[in-house]
Amino acid sequence: NAGVTQTPKFQVLKTGQSMTLQCAQDMNHEYMSWYRQDPGMGLRLIHYSVGAGITDQGEVPNGYNVSRSTTEDFPLRLLSAAPSQTSVYFCASSYSSRANVLTFGAGSRLTVL
Amino acid sequence: SQKIEQNSEALNIQEGKTATLTCNYTNYSPAYLQWYRQDPGRGPVFLLLIRENEKEKRKERLKVTFDTTLKQSLFHITASQPADSATYLCAPPNTGNQFYFGTGTSLTVIP
Repeated sequence: NAGVTQTPKFQVLKTGQSMTLQCAQDMNHEYMSWYRQDPGMGLRLIHYSVGAGITDQGEVPNGYNVSRSTTEDFPLRLLSAAPSQTSVYFCASSYSSRANVLTFGAGSRLTVL
Repeated sequence: SQKIEQNSEALNIQEGKTATLTCNYTNYSPAYLQWYRQDPGRGPVFLLLIRENEKEKRKERLKVTFDTTLKQSLFHITASQPADSATYLCAPPNTGNQFYFGTGTSLTVIP
């Protein structure tokens, strides 16, 4: 079992470039989510999904898009990167959104110049 | 708006002592609360979940309490060891079952 796999681990972008952070889980989890973690700010929820075809916004969704075409994958897209999006991004999944623990990926460190 | 506060941004204790971390939440009443551990450069790892009808939960040297009246959870590590040094995060879900996290408490256990 690989758990939650995030790629890439590190990425450097220039302002205005686009990219996709990949997240895949092999645990048949319904719930998937993306967080960003910044010093002093803790983990902040960007977007989440309670199942294939269903996505919703978290507390900091601006500048990010998501889709959930399969149960396994939940990519996070930055359409036009900004320096304010420099952060460490974590993908997490759980069996459901109800009283279930989150399994996190190892994180993706993004730097926007 | 809903708010989660973990006091003591950094906590240093001597090996063998009990570490106590605090999580306070306001403006909502979660049905349960989770605690996670995060080591540098890694994703958080689940430790314990406590429900609103449980006053206390234990796992080895870890103990969590949940006081719904005070809107507070306490996380205790007894007989602390240097290997317990990490950041500890509390996560009470909001009414939409979204998982929100506190900013975390960085614990350093000094040998």
